[in-house]
Amino acid sequence: DGGITQSPKYLFRKEGQNVTLSCEQNLNHDAMYWYRQDPGQGLRLIYYSQIVNDFQKGDIAEGYSVSREKKESFPLTVTSAQKNPTAFYLCASSIYGGGTRNNEQFFGPGTRLTVL
Amino acid sequence: KNQVEQSPQSLIILEGKNCTLQCNYTVSPFSNLRWYKQDTGRGPVSLTIMTFSENTKSNGRYTATLDADTKQSSLHITASQLSDSASYICVVSSNYGGATNKLIFGTGTLLAVQP
Repeated sequence: DGGITQSPKYLFRKEGQNVTLSCEQNLNHDAMYWYRQDPGQGLRLIYYSQIVNDFQKGDIAEGYSVSREKKESFPLTVTSAQKNPTAFYLCASSIYGGGTRNNEQFFGPGTRLTVL
Repeated sequence: KNQVEQSPQSLIILEGKNCTLQCNYTVSPFSNLRWYKQDTGRGPVSLTIMTFSENTKSNGRYTATLDADTKQSSLHITASQLSDSASYICVVSSNYGGATNKLIFGTGTLLAVQP
């Protein structure tokens, strides 16, 4: 999975609890991303960060929060405000956030979150 | 509206056979198009990338084509193997001229290769 690790692989949460998903990369990439994948839908962008100490909302940021204190780490917190958090969460990174043809995003193995 | 549509939704083929997956997009402005392979419960892995001027790109038994005029792409898999069983996702990148490329993901084609 290209030097990107996500933990845990499976996560169970009770309603009303916040949970934090870990994403670490050792590729020295500037940009990192969080996506959500649901059955029958394409990946949707939650948050992204182009550089340390900076991050931007994606298309479905409500109910989520992130931080980017270190270049290699981009944790995602799923808060109790997220109405339907059960999904497969994918973290990705790219060399930089710029728009060139070779700015490939490398994906981690994913975390499957289930709300009980 | 920027959209990426893939067909078929799912496909079953016998080992050793060829198959072709389709991708139609309505993304503008267009930057590039990638095909990813995603094994069940894993993250997607890039197979090919093509820009506006490229018509075809190969990666082993995988060959992608792009027709920028009709906004269509295909992924052809030759001599399929059991390990090809996965979801294949078409992703179109759109550069709005700023610092960020926006990715628009298709819903994928689920391929099952049977012995």
